[in-house]
Amino acid sequence: EPEVTQTPSHQVTQMGQEVILRCVPISNHLYFYWYRQILGQKVEFLVSFYNNEISEKSEIFDDQFSVERPDGSNFTLKIRSTKLEDSAMYFCASSRGRGDSPLHFGNGTRLTVT
Amino acid sequence: KQEVTQIPAALSVPEGENLVLNCSFTDSAIYNLQWFRQDPGKGLTSLLLIQSSQREQTSGRLNASLDKSSGRSTLYIAASQPGDSATYLCAVESDTDKLIFGTGTRLQVFP
Repeated sequence: EPEVTQTPSHQVTQMGQEVILRCVPISNHLYFYWYRQILGQKVEFLVSFYNNEISEKSEIFDDQFSVERPDGSNFTLKIRSTKLEDSAMYFCASSRGRGDSPLHFGNGTRLTVT
Repeated sequence: KQEVTQIPAALSVPEGENLVLNCSFTDSAIYNLQWFRQDPGKGLTSLLLIQSSQREQTSGRLNASLDKSSGRSTLYIAASQPGDSATYLCAVESDTDKLIFGTGTRLQVFP
């Protein structure tokens, strides 16, 4: 069964450094998402992406964050200057459509900012 | 602002029991409600999606119901097994392209 893949599984970085988290969504999916989960807290929405542009973003997704779909298969999340509070599990997800299609999540990238 | 709550927060049961997990949401204007399973250190696995016009969905031993007017959903797990041990999350999609998640119910089924 097709799945969403994320790399790396774990990333350790120093405060102020840039990180890029990578995702390969399911190939025939059209909607792409990033969510994050801080340890012990709820899964939180960051951003949705459709037709090569951001369709929705949360207050968390400020100017330090950006997303890109550089080719037909990859979907990336960049954090320009990481902060300690960016430490979390970041999940990529994709779906075929809106409203009637479930989201398929990757296994996540654990980001640790020191 | 949509808020999603799940009770109980944790549940520990012997194998074979039938279980009910509860989810409530504050704004009934939803597109759908989704139930997910999360294993420790892993991603979320979609279990069931109920569209706003539907009352329930079934998959194997799982049955999810939706009462949109009262802002409630239940996930029923029949004949629980140790392999069902995980955290179960419900999430609602409203008119914006995002899911709002609950805090989850951590389930442990012991042999």
